[in-house]
Amino acid sequence: DTAVSQTPKYLVTQMGNDKSIKCEQNLGHDTMYWYKQDSKKFLKIMFSYNNKELIINETVPNRFSPKSPDKAHLNLHINSLELGDSAVYFCASSNGGGRKPQHFGDGTRLSIL
Amino acid sequence: SQQGEEDPQALSIQEGENATMNCSYKTSINNLQWYRQNSGRGLVHLILIRSNEREKHSGRLRVTLDTSKKSSSLLITASRAADTASYFCATDGKTSYDKVIFGPGTSLSVIP
Repeated sequence: DTAVSQTPKYLVTQMGNDKSIKCEQNLGHDTMYWYKQDSKKFLKIMFSYNNKELIINETVPNRFSPKSPDKAHLNLHINSLELGDSAVYFCASSNGGGRKPQHFGDGTRLSIL
Repeated sequence: SQQGEEDPQALSIQEGENATMNCSYKTSINNLQWYRQNSGRGLVHLILIRSNEREKHSGRLRVTLDTSKKSSSLLITASRAADTASYFCATDGKTSYDKVIFGPGTSLSVIP
């Protein structure tokens, strides 16, 4: 009965590869997010979707492409991975936008070799 | 630019003591939230305080908000080893769907 689940939990890959991270929430929330947390624990919003529509698109390289097939799912595809992409990526969801409490997944630890 | 900034960056206390963390922000807010992150886990929502509220309690947590000083504090009373975690404040924007900005966090260590 996990609320927000991300897969995979760990991702180790080589520079230049393409990879995807999947996220699903079973809370019935209408808004989902992708965050990047760097090694200093600084958490930065990347994207946000409300009812499958992109509403926040921060200054993120266009190698990163989110996709929301339905309200319960938000995936993140990353092309041509670079060393600087190494971080922990968190998916989150809320009901009614960021002013409401967000529920986070446990993160995907991406390491680029 | 960063909206919320926590202070101190790191805090180490003995079990049973109180822990106080502060958050300062720059622009007007509607709500301010506090989250906890245990090592290797996602963030967990602790408490939300609205801009027209001055104080809020939840169990051993007490949050204050001073909009004139653009600051908030999180007090954890009678700390336990299990409170060891990073604590983040998060501030919102003008509309419901504006992004929420997280501060850099305070790392709290509670020594048994």
